[in-house]
Amino acid sequence: KAGVTQTPRYLIKTRGQQVTLSCSPISGHRSVSWYQQTPGQGLQFLFEYFSETQRNKGNFPGRFSGRQFSNSRSEMNVSTLELGDSALYLCASSLGTDPLYEQYFGPGTRLTVT
Amino acid sequence: AQTVTQSQPEMSVQEAETVTLSCTYDTSESDYYLFWYKQPPSRQMILVIRQEAYKQQNATENRFSVNFQKAAKSFSLKISDSQLGDAAMYFCAYRGSRLSGGATNKLIFGTGTLLAVQP
Repeated sequence: KAGVTQTPRYLIKTRGQQVTLSCSPISGHRSVSWYQQTPGQGLQFLFEYFSETQRNKGNFPGRFSGRQFSNSRSEMNVSTLELGDSALYLCASSLGTDPLYEQYFGPGTRLTVT
Repeated sequence: AQTVTQSQPEMSVQEAETVTLSCTYDTSESDYYLFWYKQPPSRQMILVIRQEAYKQQNATENRFSVNFQKAAKSFSLKISDSQLGDAAMYFCAYRGSRLSGGATNKLIFGTGTLLAVQP
């Protein structure tokens, strides 16, 4: 069974641009969560989707948005990029939101904003 | 709000020896889940072990075990017979229960402990 895939793996953008990151969950998984990882702030929860609905959102500005498609694939978008948005963005998928379901993480997308 | 604290930024252990990584957390919930994740240099986060707060028995997975002290809000990870492949960043994480705020997969992570394994 294929794992969680994230594309692209690496990305370089300029301040003010926007970016879209993609996450394809494990087949059959309906829940996708996103995290931002930086050396200064550590791992921070961005948002969570289940069956195309946003279930939970972290404390990030409105420049950060996401969505989930009917095939459970998810995208996150960051508009008007700032230098501080440079980070590793991780997504995790799960069968659902029951705590008994394990969450599986993807390899991440490394975003660099110059 | 829940918080997770890892007070050891770095640890080192000799191969085949035992090491314990510390984690404390703060919550007002009575039912929750705790996890240890491993993040090797490849950056892919891997679940090491999980503990349900309602279970008094400490979880064990092969060479990995936890010491869960609910009253003290402490959740340490013991790695026995350390191997070179155990070298990684280890994160302690908290997740609320389905009863405490709705079903959610949201994890709250500590700042991590970088474990080095010396040959």
